[in-house]
Amino acid sequence: SAVISQKPSRDICQRGTSLTIQCQVDSQVTMMFWYRQQPGQSLTLIATANQGSEATYESGFVIDKFPISRPNLTFSTLTVSNMSPEDSSIYLCSVRNRRGRGEKLFFGSGTQLSVL
Amino acid sequence: GQNIDQPTEMTATEGAIVQINCTYQTSGFNGLFWYQQHAGEAPTFLSYNVLDGLEEKGRFSSFLSRSKGYSYLLLKELQMKDSASYLCAVRGGDYKLSFGAGTTVTVRA
Repeated sequence: SAVISQKPSRDICQRGTSLTIQCQVDSQVTMMFWYRQQPGQSLTLIATANQGSEATYESGFVIDKFPISRPNLTFSTLTVSNMSPEDSSIYLCSVRNRRGRGEKLFFGSGTQLSVL
Repeated sequence: GQNIDQPTEMTATEGAIVQINCTYQTSGFNGLFWYQQHAGEAPTFLSYNVLDGLEEKGRFSSFLSRSKGYSYLLLKELQMKDSASYLCAVRGGDYKLSFGAGTTVTVRA
């Protein structure tokens, strides 16, 4: 299994500011994913972070709001820009393990973001 | 789009059995996953079904019926540590995972 370190684990931010979340994996992975989990709701895929090219964003998410960097095969960052209270959520990075059945996802411990 | 439904909450007694149902409507199907998520922690993988039938793994079993768009996760011999949220996730035709909102299971002594 992959070991994923994500930081910060939590933060409280002011409206209009930006926060960058870091995700470090202990092995090289082709794709890293960023999810959002709003209170009482399901995990929603924000984007797929591709190494060497722009991230691929899902419907409803744009690069200006959630810029992503992927400088190498073990590291990625997600920035939540110009935050509003509606961005209060848990943000999770994940990687896919192709070994065994099912290509299961492994998740980082998440970043609990509260925007005042 | 994808539509995945599962109950919001379930409560059961220690030592008992609980069955969490999941129904889905997706564009294509390439497998169904169950994840466990304790409060404040990341989801962890529990099971994977891609063919119809029952997959058993210790106290946990997962069932799939593709024709009915239906799965369940069966938790046997419940322990207090099983209190968590259980997420049903379906991989669609585009190989992306879509998650249900999760079922919070509370185990009482």
